[in-house]
Amino acid sequence: SAVISQKPSRDICQRGTSLTIQCQVDSQVTMMFWYRQQPGQSLTLIATANQGSEATYESGFVIDKFPISRPNLTFSTLTVSNMSPEDSSIYLCSDSPAGGETQYFGPGTRLLVL
Amino acid sequence: GESVGLHLPTLSVQEGDNSIINCAYSNSASDYFIWYKQESGKGPQFIIDIRSNMDKRQGQRVTVLLNKTVKHLSLQIAATQPGDSAVYFCAENRSGGYQKVTFGTGTKLQVIP
Repeated sequence: SAVISQKPSRDICQRGTSLTIQCQVDSQVTMMFWYRQQPGQSLTLIATANQGSEATYESGFVIDKFPISRPNLTFSTLTVSNMSPEDSSIYLCSDSPAGGETQYFGPGTRLLVL
Repeated sequence: GESVGLHLPTLSVQEGDNSIINCAYSNSASDYFIWYKQESGKGPQFIIDIRSNMDKRQGQRVTVLLNKTVKHLSLQIAATQPGDSAVYFCAENRSGGYQKVTFGTGTKLQVIP
């Protein structure tokens, strides 16, 4: 599987600000995804990052709050906009190689909003 | 709605014993299942997968069992080691590629030295 890295690994932010998280994969992958994992919880899919087109968002997540970019097959960003303490979570990037059934995850970005 | 869940939120096991982590799923259309291990401070790590045309699949020290009749999945870890301490998630998907993976609630495995 491709190696996935994320930046930053963690951050502490003030409410009302925005943070952009970067996800880099070391080889071209067809599908990339963004997940949120709230403290002590399971993973919830935010959106599928589509290369060259708008991301596909899951119910409960909107582009204005979580804009996503995917300029090529190895890179994606997730922005958490106008943050509140409820946005404190781990944000995870994943990819899916050819075949699309199994997903592999990055190390995550740990966000604390004060 | 459709969901994937676990029976036990926390499991404590003596080092050297076998561990069994259970998972129930409700989506009858699911035909591909994955187990992930998440250590503290890390992202989920793929452990093993199984398709619905199989009842059992073995890896290194791990075995996944699938009972489609009762929609039940289990992960067995042989000779549990301290390094196995983590949260384990089951996840379900449908074959055909690029479908949404749905995660269960997770079980924390604590290995007692």
